[in-house]
Amino acid sequence: DVKVTQSSRYLVKRTGEKVFLECVQDMDHENMFWYRQDPGLGLRLIYFSYDVKMKEKGDIPEGYSVSREKKERFSLILESASTNQTSMYLCASPPGTGATGELFFGEGSRLTVL
Amino acid sequence: RKEVEQDPGPFNVPEGATVAFNCTYSNSASQSFFWYRQDCRKEPKLLMSVYSSGNEDGRFTAQLNRASQYISLLIRDSKLSDSATYLCVVNMGTGGGNKLTFGTGTQLKVEL
Repeated sequence: DVKVTQSSRYLVKRTGEKVFLECVQDMDHENMFWYRQDPGLGLRLIYFSYDVKMKEKGDIPEGYSVSREKKERFSLILESASTNQTSMYLCASPPGTGATGELFFGEGSRLTVL
Repeated sequence: RKEVEQDPGPFNVPEGATVAFNCTYSNSASQSFFWYRQDCRKEPKLLMSVYSSGNEDGRFTAQLNRASQYISLLIRDSKLSDSATYLCVVNMGTGGGNKLTFGTGTQLKVEL
């Protein structure tokens, strides 16, 4: 059974803190993605990576950075958390190029920034 | 105009009813189309792809109308377990999840 694991389900941080969200997949997939999901806005792509040490900006990269040092792990970093980054963060990975449209998601990390 | 638009609902229907959702997309060059299901406080999961000729999977039927740029999902004989949010997803590229654009979802509540 495929597995995308996000390290933290719930986090509460203060404004200005550095936040790390970790994602691990055990499917040997090339591509990995970070989305955030907000009511009324749906899922929006923050960053994606198609190989180790490769990264591409998505639609809303501002305020975020990512790290992909190993194939199985893709980290999302909030250098200085702000209240408008309170959201549900979802990591995802597709089999192959993703052309089938199937994305395997992690369970999500609900971040609250106070 | 949003790239992918859905009626947020909620659609409240009795068990056994037939319900249909529509979704419109703005990019006529969009390549492929999907419906995802998301249960409350859970991650989205692929429900079915949408093929040009229309396709069926049990009680679920998906259709695509390229001329009018919309896709639809029909659920027959609704079950309580169908209660969820249904996300319309459009792939606007030639491949790769980086081109997937998600709608905001339509909430379905099936009641006794």
